[in-house]
Amino acid sequence: DTGVSQDPRHKITKRGQNVTFRCDPISEHNRLYWYRQTLGQGPEFLTYFQNEAQLEKSRLLSDRFSAERPKGSFSTLEIQRTEQGDSAMYLCASSVGTGAPGTEAFFGQGTRLTVV
Amino acid sequence: AQKVTQAQTEISVVEKEDVTLDCVYETRDTTYYLFWYKQPPSGELVFLIRRNSFDEQNEISGRYSWNFQKSTSSFNFTITASQVVDSAVYFCALRGAGNNRKLIWGLGTSLAVNP
Repeated sequence: DTGVSQDPRHKITKRGQNVTFRCDPISEHNRLYWYRQTLGQGPEFLTYFQNEAQLEKSRLLSDRFSAERPKGSFSTLEIQRTEQGDSAMYLCASSVGTGAPGTEAFFGQGTRLTVV
Repeated sequence: AQKVTQAQTEISVVEKEDVTLDCVYETRDTTYYLFWYKQPPSGELVFLIRRNSFDEQNEISGRYSWNFQKSTSSFNFTITASQVVDSAVYFCALRGAGNNRKLIWGLGTSLAVNP
């Protein structure tokens, strides 16, 4: 399978715990995105990488959230001191970068986080 | 500011009916990109189509067709002869040009195709 891969698919955690999600983009896609989606809503942009550089970060991303893409390949999204409001589906997407912004992004199956 | 409106929250049709999903967008960019994605119950967002603002040609792909009209800022999606497998949430999204890479999404339209 050469699509976007996310791990884990599901995570249940207690409030206050830290969680980390991983995303492996499509090979040779140099752009990687994180989105968050709650029930009945469209995805909300969280952050975006081009290679290893984090180029944009949403105001939705509080100080408890951090994302990395250390070698320009896979990415991790960490949430510290989780709150019940963090419960959502976390989506990762990647796209090829040729300089043109119109290329489409391909999404993984998401990580569903439940904070209890 | 950029905005995408999908006024239809839920649509229910009987198999073989045609159905149109509406999408209206707002942007000040002269160059922009419009997308449709399908999200089946499994949760994965599946890319369907991308349309560039400078290309108003409508597109047909099998039972799917898209009608892009800049004059009304609409990018509607029609499924002809719907099938049960078309049941999903469909999202319309917008992205501007330049360095802004993030997608602005509508709230989605949940389509139920009943046998």
